[in-house]
Amino acid sequence: QKEVEQNSGPLSVPEGAIASLNCTYSDRGSQSFFWYRQYSGKSPELIMSIYSNGDKEDGRFTAQLNKASQYVSLLIRDSQPSDSATYLCAAFYSGGYQKVTFGTGTKLQVIP
Amino acid sequence: GAVVSQHPSRVICKSGTSVKIECRSLDFQATTMFWYRQFPKQSLMLMATSNEGSKATYEQGVEKDKFLINHASLTLSTLTVTSAHPEDSSFYICSARGTTGGHTEAFFGQGTRLTVV
Repeated sequence: QKEVEQNSGPLSVPEGAIASLNCTYSDRGSQSFFWYRQYSGKSPELIMSIYSNGDKEDGRFTAQLNKASQYVSLLIRDSQPSDSATYLCAAFYSGGYQKVTFGTGTKLQVIP
Repeated sequence: GAVVSQHPSRVICKSGTSVKIECRSLDFQATTMFWYRQFPKQSLMLMATSNEGSKATYEQGVEKDKFLINHASLTLSTLTVTSAHPEDSSFYICSARGTTGGHTEAFFGQGTRLTVV
């Protein structure tokens, strides 16, 4: 079982719609969670971090964390074509050693 | 967010030569640095994790004698690809973790596209 799982997609949404990206993790000791956006040929860029249960909003982005269900999601409101990219979910664990585990990413396509 | 600078962004080298890639955290102290490799249309693959002043921990299948990692200070880590071959051509990305605003986050460098001819 992969430690951080994401649907590879592609997830296609029309412009202006809400895009919902999901991620599950297996290590209950994971403490911090991150969403990165990666455009083709570019390095990942941190867009959201979340550390406690609930929702965290930043502009058009909302991250949701449910530690009981080991589930993290990212909602993108009013999706734009420029949001088309691969979104990587990452979980950080620090229990004697530090480890950041990435999912394989979900490709999002926003259709104009 | 914090800035991680990776250099060079692109390098072309001849087969059999060595290439050094630098990764610097510009505005924070990176307690841990990660090196990744990414082939076209594939996900990030963690190669190794290094903590300042310690030997790097390599992932299974990554040759430590071929991919030399040095993390001599809290702001600099280097990856040297020794005796490079065409199959080493890839996108190499570093990531640095440090404490910002009371939380630890990982930020990526711009990546280095290595082409071995």
